[in-house]
Amino acid sequence: DTGVSQDPRHKITKRGQNVTFRCDPISEHNRLYWYRQTLGQGPEFLTYFQNEAQLEKSRLLSDRFSAERPKGSFSTLEIQRTEQGDSAMYLCASSLEMTGSVGYTFGSGTRLTVV
Amino acid sequence: DQQVKQNSPSLSVQEGRISILNCDYTNSMFDYFLWYKKYPAEGPTFLISISSIKDKNEDGRFTVFLNKSAKHLSLHIVPSQPGDSAVYFCAASAWTGNQFYFGTGTSLTVIP
Repeated sequence: DTGVSQDPRHKITKRGQNVTFRCDPISEHNRLYWYRQTLGQGPEFLTYFQNEAQLEKSRLLSDRFSAERPKGSFSTLEIQRTEQGDSAMYLCASSLEMTGSVGYTFGSGTRLTVV
Repeated sequence: DQQVKQNSPSLSVQEGRISILNCDYTNSMFDYFLWYKKYPAEGPTFLISISSIKDKNEDGRFTVFLNKSAKHLSLHIVPSQPGDSAVYFCAASAWTGNQFYFGTGTSLTVIP
């Protein structure tokens, strides 16, 4: 297993366009998380899935954001009508059940720039 | 509301000396505390953790101390090596929680 993979690594888009990111977690991990990190800040929780069920969403996840994990494997995060404030690093992570003391395994992230 | 705070944005240390990174939190419900290390253009990687029932956890050159009464934890790296130069994030979670709350990070530079 090569860890958590995210695609694309970089995305530049014009304001108002829709973008979609993909995350492939570690295969045996049933939990998948999306975080967002802006410059000078730590990662901020967006949402998480247990298998295919989306169990929690942050208030940061406006109605322009939607995430799916259709078969409990890979996940997609779509942002509609992008705004300049959406420019950030979008991080995906996965884990087995409750992370407790071992934390998540993060991917390398997708850096989004909205121009 | 920033529940986890790292008040030092940067730290420079000579190679071979001790690096001490600090973190404060406000939520007394937090049970697990982790440190992540992040290199540029990579995602954060898990470094070391401590649960609220302990006050110290050690792993090689890395030791994390927890002071629950002060709601403070620290990461000690000794001896510091140039490869330790990275951004270090403190993160915390409640046992029943489904997310980690991260601090804003401390950029450590170890000078050869």
